[in-house]
Amino acid sequence: GENVEQHPSTLSVQEGDSAVIKCTYSDSASNYFPWYKQELGKGPQLIIDIRSNVGEKKDQRIAVTLNKTAKHFSLHITETQPEDSAVYFCAATSLKTSYDKVIFGPGTSLSVIP
Amino acid sequence: EAQVTQNPRYLITVTGKKLTVTCSQNMNHEYMSWYRQDPGLGLRQIYYSMNVEVTDKGDVPEGYKVSRKEKRNFPLILESPSPNQTSLYFCASSFQAGTQPQHFGDGTRLSIL
Repeated sequence: GENVEQHPSTLSVQEGDSAVIKCTYSDSASNYFPWYKQELGKGPQLIIDIRSNVGEKKDQRIAVTLNKTAKHFSLHITETQPEDSAVYFCAATSLKTSYDKVIFGPGTSLSVIP
Repeated sequence: EAQVTQNPRYLITVTGKKLTVTCSQNMNHEYMSWYRQDPGLGLRQIYYSMNVEVTDKGDVPEGYKVSRKEKRNFPLILESPSPNQTSLYFCASSFQAGTQPQHFGDGTRLSIL
């Protein structure tokens, strides 16, 4: 069945360094790739997303890249800050008029060390 | 404020005692969904609803029931809870099926003894 792999499962970086989380998806019909941040005691919140007609998208310190051929997409956080510490989930789905399942990766626990 | 509200946030109960986790959204969203989150497994969908009176099974529906009598509410029912249903549960909603992103509640941690 469809699945999304995510690596690493845990990541520690020094404040100010960059963090990269990588995901691989299996369903070639997937065309929408959101990233969610989950802080302790909270639900996942969308932080950035990318559609398959775009190779890269940036929002301040956060960027996402997509390689459709390799079925890879990555989250890049630059100049990390302690408040970036959280669990990050990637996901893949296809947007169409009828329902399609969102497949989540297993998550990456990011710790930013002050 | 746009939000998805789940209750209770925490519950410890015993095997076999029926329980209901409520979920309500104030965004007039058509699509609602329940997930469970377990370590190393990410979020797995239990049930979803595309609109009032329209529900369907997700990936892990066994042992759960849902109903969608009103647009804003989507309760999750465990008729006879078992210890393997101990987990962190999230309700989510989006404008319509096939649209993104989903808005998540803050979660309900269930412990079944």
